[in-house]
Amino acid sequence: SQQGEEDPQALSIQEGENATMNCSYKTSINNLQWYRQNSGRGLVHLILIRSNEREKHSGRLRVTLDTSKKSSSLLITASRAADTASYFCATDGGRSYNTDKLIFGTGTRLQVFP
Amino acid sequence: EAQVTQNPRYLITVTGKKLTVTCSQNMNHEYMSWYRQDPGLGLRQIYYSMNVEVTDKGDVPEGYKVSRKEKRNFPLILESPSPNQTSLYFCASMSTHLGLNNSPLHFGNGTRLTVT
Repeated sequence: SQQGEEDPQALSIQEGENATMNCSYKTSINNLQWYRQNSGRGLVHLILIRSNEREKHSGRLRVTLDTSKKSSSLLITASRAADTASYFCATDGGRSYNTDKLIFGTGTRLQVFP
Repeated sequence: EAQVTQNPRYLITVTGKKLTVTCSQNMNHEYMSWYRQDPGLGLRQIYYSMNVEVTDKGDVPEGYKVSRKEKRNFPLILESPSPNQTSLYFCASMSTHLGLNNSPLHFGNGTRLTVT
């Protein structure tokens, strides 16, 4: 089963609104990363949050991490049509998984309408 | 410009005809990896390499081969492609100077493979 699962699977909003995506995972982690993928293109790294951090910001992005609930959220504020993409969380699996890879969720498809 | 370059971008082939997808990175990264992406299944790791001459199987290695003779290159080889290998393939690399998985993965733009 997936280590990281995003929720919702799809999200449609208007430009200017905020978009919130959630990621749940199953085991302990050392860090959690968020990536963005434009249709059919390679994933682009957005932000990395370590297990001892609770919140991190980068421009219009805000990521929170709750290790007690094994969940993370990605908030995009004042969304733009150019934010339309799929967003993935990825975890390293901590000590419970083979740590030679990042484990990706199945992603949230975000559509931002002008 | 720091990048991971995959070629070709699109490839259509027939069952059984050997093919190679090339991957090259110019960031001197130790770690490289191949993924396939399929609808509903997300990204699945095929093979990875921690450094030159070191390769290991990922989650779905059957039907694939890789080699890491040079640090910058990590080709993916399909000796006898089958239709179930039709997919979108990504190569990625990562620096391990801060420890494995403590740095971002850098992805290529993908290779869309169709096997008929």
